[in-house]
Amino acid sequence: RKEVEQDPGPFNVPEGATVAFNCTYSNSASQSFFWYRQDCRKEPKLLMSVYSSGNEDGRFTAQLNRASQYISLLIRDSKLSDSATYLCVVNKGNKLTFGTGTQLKVEL
Amino acid sequence: DTEVTQTPKHLVMGMTNKKSLKCEQHMGHRAMYWYKQKAKKPPELMFVYSYEKLSINESVPSRFSPECPNSSLLNLHLHALQPEDSALYLCASSPRQGTDTQYFGPGTRLTVL
Repeated sequence: RKEVEQDPGPFNVPEGATVAFNCTYSNSASQSFFWYRQDCRKEPKLLMSVYSSGNEDGRFTAQLNRASQYISLLIRDSKLSDSATYLCVVNKGNKLTFGTGTQLKVEL
Repeated sequence: DTEVTQTPKHLVMGMTNKKSLKCEQHMGHRAMYWYKQKAKKPPELMFVYSYEKLSINESVPSRFSPECPNSSLLNLHLHALQPEDSALYLCASSPRQGTDTQYFGPGTRLTVL
């Protein structure tokens, strides 16, 4: 079993749609959690950290369920510029472990 | 400012060449990282430096040699690489090694002929 698992997609959605991505992780000792966004041939960029209480940043909402070892990202009112690969990232101690990423394509 | 810079942006080298990748950050971060990313795959950790000392080596072949001359700089020396080493090499930094958020540079796209 992979340490961090994501549905690779692609998710093709119309502009304005709401889309949700899920991620599961296998190591219950994982300590911190993030969503990164990566555009084609660019570096990963931090989208948001994920907390057990849930957190929101504009159109983006992230949730963490430690009991189920499950992380989610909700994007509301999708924009064309949201098209990218979304990486679920888990940190245990000194090491980030990346999921394989979920590709999102927002279309007109 | 959460900027990590990397040079060069692109590098083409032969299998007998010696080259170096450079990474710099001026955020006062004390942990710096090298990752390797192949197409359509997630980044894979190679090395971690904490307070200028090598903290983690993820069993990387010796043809990759990291160096941390000071707290702002991180180098990756390359020698006798193989074509399968062609990839995007990403540098990242974080305030401390551990659970802190990591910030990535734009990467060096390496092609080994």
